[in-house]
Amino acid sequence: DVKVTQSSRYLVKRTGEKVFLECVQDMDHENMFWYRQDPGLGLRLIYFSYDVKMKEKGDIPEGYSVSREKKERFSLILESASTNQTSMYLCASSFIWGANTGELFFGEGSRLTVL
Amino acid sequence: GDSVTQMEGPVTLSEEAFLTINCTYTATGYPSLFWYVQYPGEGLQLLLKATKADDKGSNKGFEATYRKETTSFHLEKGSVQVSDSAVYFCALLYNFNKFYFGSGTKLNVKP
Repeated sequence: DVKVTQSSRYLVKRTGEKVFLECVQDMDHENMFWYRQDPGLGLRLIYFSYDVKMKEKGDIPEGYSVSREKKERFSLILESASTNQTSMYLCASSFIWGANTGELFFGEGSRLTVL
Repeated sequence: GDSVTQMEGPVTLSEEAFLTINCTYTATGYPSLFWYVQYPGEGLQLLLKATKADDKGSNKGFEATYRKETTSFHLEKGSVQVSDSAVYFCALLYNFNKFYFGSGTKLNVKP
């Protein structure tokens, strides 16, 4: 089974702190994504990556950066956390080509609270 | 731009009731369409998908038909169970890696 693992289920940080959210997938997927999930807004794409060291901005990249140094790992970085970044963060991965094209595999999410 | 609109929830049903969750989309090309489900405390998982017009996706008793003429992909189930209580997301895939999600519809099924 495909497994997408997010390093922390729950985090509490203070305003201004630097926050790292780690995601690892074990299926050799080319694509990896970071979404933010908020009530009433659904999922909004922050960044995605289609290869090592490659990244593209999603719909809400402001205040976030990402790193993909290895194919299986995709990190989301909040350089200076703010209270409006309190949210559930979801990592996902997928193949680009093949029979399963289009299916996203999600991690269980990381709930971040910024005080 | 491309987008997905789904009905607001929560939807509350009694066990064995018929379920419909509406989803419509806006897209310039020919997207693939998906329903994802998120059970309490878990990540999203794929429920069903359809890749071209008139395709019907089905899984676990749920069905949805890709209707190009009405740009819709409504989710249906003939008889819901308490275990179906979850949040359901309609999604669109365009150009291999651009996913657009609806805002989600929470379903509560009462025994």
